[in-house]
This record gives sequence, C-alpha cells and structure tokens, in this order.
Amino acid sequence: EPEVTQTPSHQVTQMGQEVILRCVPISNHLYFYWYRQILGQKVEFLVSFYNNEISEKSEIFDDQFSVERPDGSNFTLKIRSTKLEDSAMYFCASTGQGMDQPQHFGDGTRLSIL
Amino acid sequence: DAKTTQPPSMDCAEGRAANLPCNHSTISGNEYVYWYRQIHSQGPQYIIHGLKNNETNEMASLIITEDRKSSTLILPHATLRDTAVYYCIGSGSARQLTFGSGTQLTVLP
Repeated sequence: EPEVTQTPSHQVTQMGQEVILRCVPISNHLYFYWYRQILGQKVEFLVSFYNNEISEKSEIFDDQFSVERPDGSNFTLKIRSTKLEDSAMYFCASTGQGMDQPQHFGDGTRLSIL
Repeated sequence: DAKTTQPPSMDCAEGRAANLPCNHSTISGNEYVYWYRQIHSQGPQYIIHGLKNNETNEMASLIITEDRKSSTLILPHATLRDTAVYYCIGSGSARQLTFGSGTQLTVLP
C-alpha cells in the first residue's frame, strides 16, 4: 500500500539554525499538509498546500516557516531560525482529489532543538 | 469543524469488540466524521469516515446515528496492537483536520 515517507526520522539542531524536513507524499496525491505535535500535546495543523501554493495556514505557521514542492515528488518544511519551542514531532500528510478523501500521514520527524 | 467529545480512556479485553463513542451534536449537514488513531508517537493512521450511512472496511465499522449527533467506531475483534489514541474528527472536508485529545484505548490480554 502506498505511504507517505518522511526524512530524517530524527533531527537534532542547534537553536538559531535552519532546518529542512522532507516528505514524499503518495504519488498521485494533490494536497499536502504539515502538522506538528509537541510532546504530550495534541496534533496541530500548520499548513496545507495545493497547486504550488499555500491553501491554508494556522497562526503557528509564522514567517519563520516556509513550505516548498521543489520537484514532482518532495514536499519540504523549512524552519529558518529554530527556537527551543520548535522541538516537536512534525508530520506530513497528503490526500487525493475529492472533498472527503482522507489524509494519509507519514511517521514523522522528531525535531530536537538544543 | 464540528466540536467532538470523546471519553478520555477505555479498556477492552483482547478478542472482544471495542466500541468507541463520539458526540458531535453541532455537526453540520456537509461535515464528515473521520476516525484516526495514533499508536505511541507514530503518525495518525486513517481508519474510516462517513457522512450519514454506516460504513465498514477491513479495519472497523462506523455507526452514525440518524440525527448525526453521535457515532461509534467498532473494532470487531480487538488485539493488543489496537492499543492507541483514537480521534473522532468532524470536518467539512479533509483539507484541515482539528485533532482533539481523543480516547486512549487499552486492549488488555
């Protein structure tokens, strides 16, 4: 069964450094998403992306965040200047055409900011 | 998105059916009910979704009341691997999902 893959599984970065989290969505999917989950807290929506532009974003997704689909397969989340509070699990998801099509999630990247 | 209410935790004996309730009394006519689960710190796993009719797939059954104010996810023969947090989400589309705290289901041997 096709799946969403995320790399790396664990990223350790110094505060203030830039980090790029990578995702390969399911191949025929058109909508892409990033969520995050701080340890012990709820899964929170960050951003959705369709047709090479952001569709929706939450208030968490401020100017330090950006997303990109650099080629036909990858979908990336960049955090420009990381802060301690960015430490979390980051999940990528994708979904196909059709308003009710479910999102399928990757297993996440654990981001640790030191 | 519709506000949903789930019990914080439930236990179920291995091999028995697990019935997980969800209240969504404010759900609107075009909002679907989605169920996901999260095993430990893995990514949320899609289980099933429905609008009005009951649905069944290889993982579970979804029973939606006629007034659509509540639903029940049924895992027919729970195994230890079904221990997870289960999320019920009401959404007008799958474009943005709002996760609550969910129900921690523990399957006991």
